[in-house]
Amino acid sequence: AQSVTQLDSHVSVSEGTPVLLRCNYSSSYSPSLFWYVQHPNKGLQLLLKYTSAATLVKGINGFEAEFKKSETSFHLTKPSAHMSDAAEYFCVVRRRERTYKYIFGTGTRLKVLA
Amino acid sequence: GAGVSQSPRYKVAKRGRDVALRCDSISGHVTLYWYRQTLGQGSEVLTYSQSDAQRDKSGRPSGRFSAERPERSVSTLKIQRTEQGDSAVYLCASSLRLPYEQYFGPGTRLTVT
Repeated sequence: AQSVTQLDSHVSVSEGTPVLLRCNYSSSYSPSLFWYVQHPNKGLQLLLKYTSAATLVKGINGFEAEFKKSETSFHLTKPSAHMSDAAEYFCVVRRRERTYKYIFGTGTRLKVLA
Repeated sequence: GAGVSQSPRYKVAKRGRDVALRCDSISGHVTLYWYRQTLGQGSEVLTYSQSDAQRDKSGRPSGRFSAERPERSVSTLKIQRTEQGDSAVYLCASSLRLPYEQYFGPGTRLTVT
């Protein structure tokens, strides 16, 4: 079975400081992993994805994530937070089975303080 | 370009009533998915359909949920006899076809009173 756990439901950072949003997954075989961001009243936007190529994945808006198989983690980072980064972030694992369902984490709400 | 859209964005329904939620997918996408996103519990896929055939009903929590495809790029999720536990955000996604990347709509927030 596959699942994904986002360890923090809320994270607050000051503008200009680093962001770390944690995600751990469990998978019986090599997963595809994604990070999505959802701003209020907007759809989910893909930030980045890991599909078994490079373990360090760079995404949009300065975000990146590192796939660490030994730690079963896929944490999202950004060196310097911007006010516009305030949103909800979802870590997602995709099942590589017939139905290719996306399995979402519970989400982390990021707050950026001025 | 136009992405996935959903309507209504917010819906309040009295318990026991039927509701219908609409999804307009990206033109040319064959596969449509419905997910239910519950606060603190993540999201689960409810159903998906390819072209005009509904497939994989195993994700549905009960027979009260069904999805129809009145047009190639439109899907309607119908919930019969709503219950308070149905209160959630319902996300629609579409992809070119299985197993390509899914693109998500903004969601419909359903509140059952």
